[in-house]
Amino acid sequence: QKEVEQNSGPLSVPEGAIASLNCTYSDRGSQSFFWYRQYSGKSPELIMSIYSNGDKEDGRFTAQLNKASQYVSLLIRDSQPSDSATYLCAVNKINSGYALNFGKGTSLLVTP
Amino acid sequence: GAVVSQHPSWVICKSGTSVKIECRSLDFQATTMFWYRQFPKQSLMLMATSNEGSKATYEQGVEKDKFLINHASLTLSTLTVTSAHPEDSSFYICSARDTGTDTQYFGPGTRLTVL
Repeated sequence: QKEVEQNSGPLSVPEGAIASLNCTYSDRGSQSFFWYRQYSGKSPELIMSIYSNGDKEDGRFTAQLNKASQYVSLLIRDSQPSDSATYLCAVNKINSGYALNFGKGTSLLVTP
Repeated sequence: GAVVSQHPSWVICKSGTSVKIECRSLDFQATTMFWYRQFPKQSLMLMATSNEGSKATYEQGVEKDKFLINHASLTLSTLTVTSAHPEDSSFYICSARDTGTDTQYFGPGTRLTVL
């Protein structure tokens, strides 16, 4: 079982819709969870971090964490074409300092 | 957010040569930096954790004698790919941990092409 799993997509949503991105992780001891956005040929850019169960909102983005289900998600409201990118879910590696395990990423396409 | 720079942004070299990549945290001190590698259509794979003033910790399967890491100061870590081969061609990305915010910030990456 891969440590961090994401549906590779592509996920296509119309402009203005809500995009829902999901991620599951295998290590129950994980404490820190991150969503990064990566445009083609560029390095990842941090969107949100979440550490506690529940929802965390920041502008158009909402991260949701459920540690019992080992599940973390990202909602993007009012999706814009500029949101089209690959979204990477990252989880801290246990017993590895602060290193991160990344999922393969979900490709999001927002169509005008 | 905090800024991390990498140099060079791209490099092309001949097989058998060595290439050094620099990673700098510009506006914060980073006791810990990380080196990742990303092949096309793949996710980031952690290569090693670089700790200031001590030896790097390498992930399983990463040759420490081939990928030399030095973290001589709180703002600079270097990765040297020794005797590079075409299969080492990849996108190398560093990140630096800002202890104040418990957040990793990524550099812009270095695209290495070995001919």
